[in-house]
Amino acid sequence: KNQVEQSPQSLIILEGKNCTLQCNYTVSPFSNLRWYKQDTGRGPVSLTIMTFSENTKSNGRYTATLDADTKQSSLHITASQLSDSASYICVVSTVYTGGFKTIFGAGTRLFVKA
Amino acid sequence: KAGVTQTPRYLIKTRGQQVTLSCSPISGHRSVSWYQQTPGQGLQFLFEYFSETQRNKGNFPGRFSGRQFSNSRSEMNVSTLELGDSALYLCASSLQGGGADTQYFGPGTRLTVL
Repeated sequence: KNQVEQSPQSLIILEGKNCTLQCNYTVSPFSNLRWYKQDTGRGPVSLTIMTFSENTKSNGRYTATLDADTKQSSLHITASQLSDSASYICVVSTVYTGGFKTIFGAGTRLFVKA
Repeated sequence: KAGVTQTPRYLIKTRGQQVTLSCSPISGHRSVSWYQQTPGQGLQFLFEYFSETQRNKGNFPGRFSGRQFSNSRSEMNVSTLELGDSALYLCASSLQGGGADTQYFGPGTRLTVL
């Protein structure tokens, strides 16, 4: 069964600290993996998109890694800011004959405290 | 370049009614996807339109339908509303769609069914 599991469910960190969010998937065949940031009451915003051959991608203070062998991805946030408080959603896509399927993780809710 | 816009932003309906939501994609984007987001289920894929054709569909009942116009604008319709349809409805546009490229989300339409 195609699934995307994220951990932890929620996380509280102090401003300026680093943190790492995890995403494990069982989606096959794998097409790409995306990380989104969603502020409360707003639509998700894309942070990174990685295909099978990419194992690291950065977007400012956000760095995503992908291990296609173990089917794991992580999102590392460096020097966190109050504005990083949001939900982070891992999304994995698979392509099959006749269409594609996008599976969303439940998200990790990050709280950054001053 | 203007982002994805959705109208209306908020909507209150009663059970049994029908509703139409609108989405205007980023200029040049031909793919529009619709998602339902609830606290309990997270983000769930409804359907994707590309060049006025439904290219992919999620596991939602036939009460949920959509269409796309020649200018890529899309509408989603929900008939015979149920209490469980209360959710944030998000649309996202992209150049290619099919789960292959970055999607840009709109702010969403918050639907409340009483």
